[in-house]
Amino acid sequence: KAGVTQTPRYLIKTRGQQVTLSCSPISGHRSVSWYQQTPGQGLQFLFEYFSETQRNKGNFPGRFSGRQFSNSRSEMNVSTLELGDSALYLCASSRGGPEVGTDTQYFGPGTRLTVL
Amino acid sequence: GEDVEQSLFLSVREGDSSVINCTYTDSSSTYLYWYKQEPGAGLQLLTYIFSNMDMKQDQRLTVLLNKKDKHLSLRIADTQTGDSAIYFCAAASGGSYIPTFGRGTSLIVHP
Repeated sequence: KAGVTQTPRYLIKTRGQQVTLSCSPISGHRSVSWYQQTPGQGLQFLFEYFSETQRNKGNFPGRFSGRQFSNSRSEMNVSTLELGDSALYLCASSRGGPEVGTDTQYFGPGTRLTVL
Repeated sequence: GEDVEQSLFLSVREGDSSVINCTYTDSSSTYLYWYKQEPGAGLQLLTYIFSNMDMKQDQRLTVLLNKKDKHLSLRIADTQTGDSAIYFCAAASGGSYIPTFGRGTSLIVHP
């Protein structure tokens, strides 16, 4: 079974621009979560989508948004980029079903975003 | 909210056992995970344990849980250079399976 894929793997943008990252979950997984990883803050949860609806949300400003399509693929958008948005953005998928706890998240390789 | 703490670095000799420790604050945390991250890669799930268990063994990996002290450890037997990576502890409560991650422990294995 193919794993979680993320595109692009690397991205360079300038301040003020916007960016869209894509995540394709494992086949059959309906939940997609996004995380930001930085050396200073560690791994921080952005949001989770399940069946095209945002189900959980972390403490990030409104510049960070996402969506999920009917095939469970998800996109994350960051508008008005700031230098501090430079990070590794990780996507994780899970079945998203009621079996909480056993519904383990599987991570993609991440998208490395550099904001200049 | 939940807070998960780990030591930042651990250095061991090849062939020795490694023990990575983690503490969490939320006593309602029901699900505890260990992930491994190699350079340039995403997180790989190593193992997980439920709060009603004290120990779980999976080949070279042993997870110990002290629920009273909210302390979790990961023991890697016969540590190899290929085990060099960052290890993340994560905890999730029954209300939300979105885990809270620790900052990660960088394991360095030297010959």
